[in-house]
Amino acid sequence: AQSVTQLDSHVSVSEGTPVLLRCNYSSSYSPSLFWYVQHPNKGLQLLLKYTSAATLVKGINGFEAEFKKSETSFHLTKPSAHMSDAAEYFCVVSDISGTYKYIFGTGTRLKVLA
Amino acid sequence: GAGVSQSPRYKVTKRGQDVALRCDPISGHVSLYWYRQALGQGPEFLTYFNYEAQQDKSGLPNDRFSAERPEGSISTLTIQRTEQRDSAMYRCASSAGGRDRMYNEQFFGPGTRLTVL
Repeated sequence: AQSVTQLDSHVSVSEGTPVLLRCNYSSSYSPSLFWYVQHPNKGLQLLLKYTSAATLVKGINGFEAEFKKSETSFHLTKPSAHMSDAAEYFCVVSDISGTYKYIFGTGTRLKVLA
Repeated sequence: GAGVSQSPRYKVTKRGQDVALRCDPISGHVSLYWYRQALGQGPEFLTYFNYEAQQDKSGLPNDRFSAERPEGSISTLTIQRTEQRDSAMYRCASSAGGRDRMYNEQFFGPGTRLTVL
């Protein structure tokens, strides 16, 4: 069975400093991985996805993630945090059993300090 | 419409009442998913439709929960005899389906926040 683990429930960074949100996955097969963002009182928005085409994936709003098979990780990074990045971030793996339902991590709440 | 829509956005009901939550997916999307998100948690899978066929209902917590998608478009999630523990955000998502389903993005609706008093 597939799963994802988000190692930090809360992360605080100062505006203009780098962001690192950690995610480790467990999968018997080459996984399909996603990062979604959820702003307060809003829906889930896709930031980026890993589809095996390239290990470094670039997403929207300056975010990127690197797939590292040896470390079973898919950490999300951004060089410089902006106040508008404050939100909850979910790492997701797609279940390959046939339905491709999403299996979500528990989420990381990012706080950006002025 | 341009995205996935859900109604109502908020529903407050009394324990023991039945509720019906509606999802209108993106036009042409064959795959439809329902998830439930408790406060402070990630969404958890409830059920999946491929066109009108309910192909996976393994996430439905008990037989008070049911879902349908009779014409392969709009879907309804029904909760009978609601209990306080059913209070949560219920999210619907749709995706295009097809050969590369593994990599398909799911597009999420805004959710229905259900409160059972």
